[in-house]
Amino acid sequence: QSALTQPASVSGSPGQSITISCTGTSSDVGGYNYVSWYQQHPGKAPKLMIFDVSNRPSGVSNRFSGSKSGNTASLTISGLLAEDEADYYCSSYRNSSTFYVFGTGTKVTVL
Amino acid sequence: EVQLLESGGGWVQPGGSLRLSCAASGFTFSNYAMSWVRQAPGKGLEWVSGISGSGGGTYYADSVKGRFTISRDNSKNTLYLQMNSPRAEDTAFYYCAKGQVVVVNWGQGALVTVSS
Repeated sequence: QSALTQPASVSGSPGQSITISCTGTSSDVGGYNYVSWYQQHPGKAPKLMIFDVSNRPSGVSNRFSGSKSGNTASLTISGLLAEDEADYYCSSYRNSSTFYVFGTGTKVTVL
Repeated sequence: EVQLLESGGGWVQPGGSLRLSCAASGFTFSNYAMSWVRQAPGKGLEWVSGISGSGGGTYYADSVKGRFTISRDNSKNTLYLQMNSPRAEDTAFYYCAKGQVVVVNWGQGALVTVSS
């Protein structure tokens, strides 16, 4: 079962905006609005940042936003802060025996 | 406050068996689907298995299908993952997670090492 495709790394300076892409197929990202994004700091459990493409859970900063176009979903972090430096994973429901799939992960570096 | 506490991790030989448990609290356990997600050291997240709130629906990644079994005991608020015939590539931190399509809460993880 193939993972969703993310860039290995993205970097930006404090205060800038960055965007992480997540590319799948019409069987997952493109076919359903069940894309989520997770943030993971080293040695910690993942944290839900975005669900259902563009919804933020309570307590998540509005600097984080999600969107989708075709088979590609995106996570944008605006006003980049040092604390945003972490690994980010997208995920999606997949219409197959796989059922659910994560992205390959993106390391965000704040310069 | 939602709490998910995994136990049962450790070392197991290839071809052996191991059962992970996850004690849940802070929410009505039977109302929620649950999942197991794993992460090999230094690698990305991989969804392993999911189960509906009633336990009537179970789902598996192709990589573990036929070897792992997910189950739950709603009277004990506990989720399980029975790992049979594990392989070296199953070595990972195993996270218990609340939810299935959207994972809202995560445990801290239990390390499973498969080695001879």
